[in-house]
Amino acid sequence: KNEVEQSPQNLTAQEGEFITINCSYSVGISALHWLQQHPGGGIVSLFMLSSGKKKHGRLIATINIQEKHSSLHITASHPRDSAVYICAVVSNFGNEKLTFGTGTRLTIIP
Amino acid sequence: EPEVTQTPSHQVTQMGQEVILRCVPISNHLYFYWYRQILGQKVEFLVSFYNNEISEKSEIFDDQFSVERPDGSNFTLKIRSTKLEDSAMYFCASKSDSNQPQHFGDGTRLSIL
Repeated sequence: KNEVEQSPQNLTAQEGEFITINCSYSVGISALHWLQQHPGGGIVSLFMLSSGKKKHGRLIATINIQEKHSSLHITASHPRDSAVYICAVVSNFGNEKLTFGTGTRLTIIP
Repeated sequence: EPEVTQTPSHQVTQMGQEVILRCVPISNHLYFYWYRQILGQKVEFLVSFYNNEISEKSEIFDDQFSVERPDGSNFTLKIRSTKLEDSAMYFCASKSDSNQPQHFGDGTRLSIL
């Protein structure tokens, strides 16, 4: 069983729609990252959070530590939001390496 | 904004050859990581490096792999004798302190022929 599960694997939506991507994890963590990977392959960190909620522009990330669940929301989605969104957790143990989910491929249609 | 830079962006190598992937982490960062992503799969941890030594490595990081920080700025990943299954995107990441986010380079796409 994967330590980090994401859903859905693929998501296609119309421009302007509200998007939600979910992440569940099974290990103890000190923090959770949401990352964005564009077709060229580069990875950009969107959020790192360990409790509550963070907002940056149209992106909102929430985490519920008790339920071991996090969500990434995109409001007023735009075609430029099309990318793979990856959830990654920082374990309580070891040297804070990231354990990655399989990613959610988001496509926003104009 | 400071960036993690990786070179080359694409490396094509014959099986059995040695390859060195280079990374320049952000200058005041202290923690360094290598990850890889085989095409179509999730990103996997390879190795972490702190205080001039390996702090953790995964099962993937066998004797064929090594890391070095030769001059205080570069952070390299060497694969001694490449195999076909080493073909992947390799990402370098760094961070300044514990509980800080990791910053990623754009990756090196390694193709083994």
